Amino acid sequence: AQSVTQLGSHVSVSEGALVLLRCNYSSSVPPYLFWYVQYPNQGLQLLLKYTSAATLVKGINGFEAEFKKSETSFHLTKPSAHMSDAAEYFCAVSEGVGFQKLVFGTGTRLLVSP
Amino acid sequence: DAGVTQSPTHLIKTRGQHVTLRCSPISGHKSVSWYQQVLGQGPQFIFQYYEKEERGRGNFPDRFSARQFPNYSSELNVNALLLGDSALYLCASSRFDSTDTQYFGPGTRLTVL
Repeated sequence: AQSVTQLGSHVSVSEGALVLLRCNYSSSVPPYLFWYVQYPNQGLQLLLKYTSAATLVKGINGFEAEFKKSETSFHLTKPSAHMSDAAEYFCAVSEGVGFQKLVFGTGTRLLVSP
Repeated sequence: DAGVTQSPTHLIKTRGQHVTLRCSPISGHKSVSWYQQVLGQGPQFIFQYYEKEERGRGNFPDRFSARQFPNYSSELNVNALLLGDSALYLCASSRFDSTDTQYFGPGTRLTVL
């Protein structure tokens, strides 16, 4: 079974600082990887996805992630944090034969201070 | 275009009761998936339906069931509710292919007392 591990349940940054949220995956086949964001009391919004095209994936709101097969990682970054980035971030891998199932990590809460 | 919609927004039930949650997918999407998100955890896959047939099932007991209607909307049913069923239930729609994005609705918050 495929899985993802998100290191750090909480990450704190100052406004304007670099955001780095870590995700490592375990997969026996080339993975499809996703980053979602969840704001309080809301559903999940897709930030970006990797589907074996370019290894550097650009998403919405200035976020990007780099797929590194040698490190089995798919870390999410943003050069400059904004207060509105404070939310829960989930990394997910798609698995399933004949169906589509997302396997999520436990999430990382991003805190942004002024 | 309207996104994925879910109803109700919040629901309070007591142990042993039955609950039905509803989901309408994005127009043109034929697949609906259900996820359970317990507080402090990532979402867990329950079911995927495509063209009115169950295509995948997660590790959930038979108390959980679902169906998809001809208009591609879906219902999730949970029988004999337990306290541990308290969670945010998320519905996601997609075209179906494994690379497709799953678009999530706002969820239904179920509290079991």
